[in-house]
Amino acid sequence: EPEVTQTPSHQVTQMGQEVILRCVPISNHLYFYWYRQILGQKVEFLVSFYNNEISEKSEIFDDQFSVERPDGSNFTLKIRSTKLEDSAMYFCASIRGVEQYFGPGTRLTVT
Amino acid sequence: KQEVTQIPAALSVPEGENLVLNCSFTDSAIYNLQWFRQDPGKGLTSLLLIQSSQREQTSGRLNASLDKSSGRSTLYIAASQPGDSATYLCAVGRSGTGNQFYFGTGTSLTVIP
Repeated sequence: EPEVTQTPSHQVTQMGQEVILRCVPISNHLYFYWYRQILGQKVEFLVSFYNNEISEKSEIFDDQFSVERPDGSNFTLKIRSTKLEDSAMYFCASIRGVEQYFGPGTRLTVT
Repeated sequence: KQEVTQIPAALSVPEGENLVLNCSFTDSAIYNLQWFRQDPGKGLTSLLLIQSSQREQTSGRLNASLDKSSGRSTLYIAASQPGDSATYLCAVGRSGTGNQFYFGTGTSLTVIP
């Protein structure tokens, strides 16, 4: 069964560094999403992406964040200058119809 | 803004019991509602999706219901097993392009053998 994959599974970075989180959505899906989950808190929407542009973004998704679909398969989330509070689990999801399929997540630790 | 609440926050039951998890949402203008399972440190596994026009969905021992007018959904798990132990998340899909999901904080379920 097709699945969403994410790399790396765990990334440790120093405050102020740039990180790129990678996702490979299910191939025939049309909408792509990034969510984050700070430890012990709700899963929060960051951004949705459709037809090679941002469809919607939350107030969390500020100028430090950007998304790209650099080729036909990858979908990336970049954080330009990481802060301690960016430490969280980041989930990628994709949709073709109405059901969201989530990847296993990338645990980002900012020290 | 849509607020999603799940009660109880934690639940511990003996194996074999039937149980109900509750989800409530503040804005009834939803597109769909999806129940997920999350194991510790892992991703989200989709369990059931209910469209806004539907009242319930069933998969194996799981049954999810939706009452849009009252802003509620329940997940019923029959004959619980230790392998059902996980956190169960309710997510409400917003109407419109992109179908952003709003998540509840989850119910942590422990099934005791």
